[in-house]
Amino acid sequence: GAVVSQHPSRVICKSGTSVKIECRSLDFQATTMFWYRQFPKQSLMLMATSNEGSKATYEQGVEKDKFLINHASLTLSTLTVTSAHPEDSSFYICSARDPLAGGSSYNEQFFGPGTRLTVL
Amino acid sequence: TQLLEQSPQFLSIQEGENLTVYCNSSSVFSSLQWYRQEPGEGPVLLVTVVTGGEVKKLKRLTFQFGDARKDSSLHITAAQPGDTGLYLCAGVSGAGSYQLTFGKGTKLSVIP
Repeated sequence: GAVVSQHPSRVICKSGTSVKIECRSLDFQATTMFWYRQFPKQSLMLMATSNEGSKATYEQGVEKDKFLINHASLTLSTLTVTSAHPEDSSFYICSARDPLAGGSSYNEQFFGPGTRLTVL
Repeated sequence: TQLLEQSPQFLSIQEGENLTVYCNSSSVFSSLQWYRQEPGEGPVLLVTVVTGGEVKKLKRLTFQFGDARKDSSLHITAAQPGDTGLYLCAGVSGAGSYQLTFGKGTKLSVIP
């Protein structure tokens, strides 16, 4: 099956610094990737949709200048949390869609293992 | 904004018992997916249901999509400790849309 990796798996940073999280599709080319945020004991909330070669589409309430998304290649999307603050501490999860998947897998998203961000 | 309501939010049962988790919405979804998530990990897809009234079985797990494609259920027979986890339903709103709307999840604990 399709595999999506994330790096780093955990990161601790000081308030005011920026953190970059990478999301890679390992065995397929992903024209679309998604970034989610999950707070403790809560569900996944979509932050933005990342399309290769174009600007990301952000969900309402998500600051695009704070959460910078770059999808420069078909296998890599990055999320940069700029000037991180303690309230940005969360579990960030990416997913990728395989445009060549057929049948009911057409809408399937393959999720990465997540990145735990802790801002001190 | 489409919402998916999951119930119950928490469920603690003894090994061997049966359980059902519900996912309801007032909106129609073109397809609905069920995921299981372990702490500190990303969700793992269990099943995708597409057709209204569809029933899919995965070993002891039975998934059903409502006739109107607004609701779904997950039934686990003879639960085992290994079934413990967060179960999430997620809907795809329409043709050409790839965005998933997640329910809040059901935290299942199966006690040996």
